[in-house]
Amino acid sequence: DAGVIQSPRHEVTEMGQEVTLRCKPISGHDYLFWYRQTMMRGLELLIYFNNNVPIDDSGMPEDRFSAKMPNASFSTLKIQPSEPRDSAVYFCASSGDRSRQPQHFGDGTRLSIL
Amino acid sequence: GESVGLHLPTLSVQEGDNSIINCAYSNSASDYFIWYKQESGKGPQFIIDIRSNMDKRQGQRVTVLLNKTVKHLSLQIAATQPGDSAVYFCAENMWNQGGKLIFGQGTELSVKP
Repeated sequence: DAGVIQSPRHEVTEMGQEVTLRCKPISGHDYLFWYRQTMMRGLELLIYFNNNVPIDDSGMPEDRFSAKMPNASFSTLKIQPSEPRDSAVYFCASSGDRSRQPQHFGDGTRLSIL
Repeated sequence: GESVGLHLPTLSVQEGDNSIINCAYSNSASDYFIWYKQESGKGPQFIIDIRSNMDKRQGQRVTVLLNKTVKHLSLQIAATQPGDSAVYFCAENMWNQGGKLIFGQGTELSVKP
């Protein structure tokens, strides 16, 4: 079975540039989550969607970050403009309905902003 | 100034021994708990979960114990193997938080051959 697919796996860009991270959740999953992982703060939830609708974006750091889910099989996380402090590993995860199903993670995008 | 990263607790065990990784969760209203394993360069991988109406659940070589009285969760790995070396995270979920999980800081397990 295909798991959560993220692209790109690695991204290196200069500060000020726009960065777009992509995620394809597991087919049939209703929930999609974006996380950021750093040594300083560990794993942080940025935003999550249910049936393509954003439910909780309280973890989004600031207006430079935005996320969309135009359909059930695709989501993007965009940073514009990017800053060096945005360097981190960004994970996407998906899960089934709310009756207690675990989230399944992709292998992440390692983002470096120079 | 110098940045300081999270200092992960570390557990070092001999191959073949049993490992016990502990987690204190934060919210007494949490009713669903998950253990994840994260290897270097990969995303967290689901290991086992448990609902709050249970005290114990067993999988293949793993057992999760839940003590709601003291808000404590543990993961036991039997006959630990070098491939078990990774960072292990516990996560908690509350029924009224949809699918939202709160993750612990993680424990690094190192298996010596």
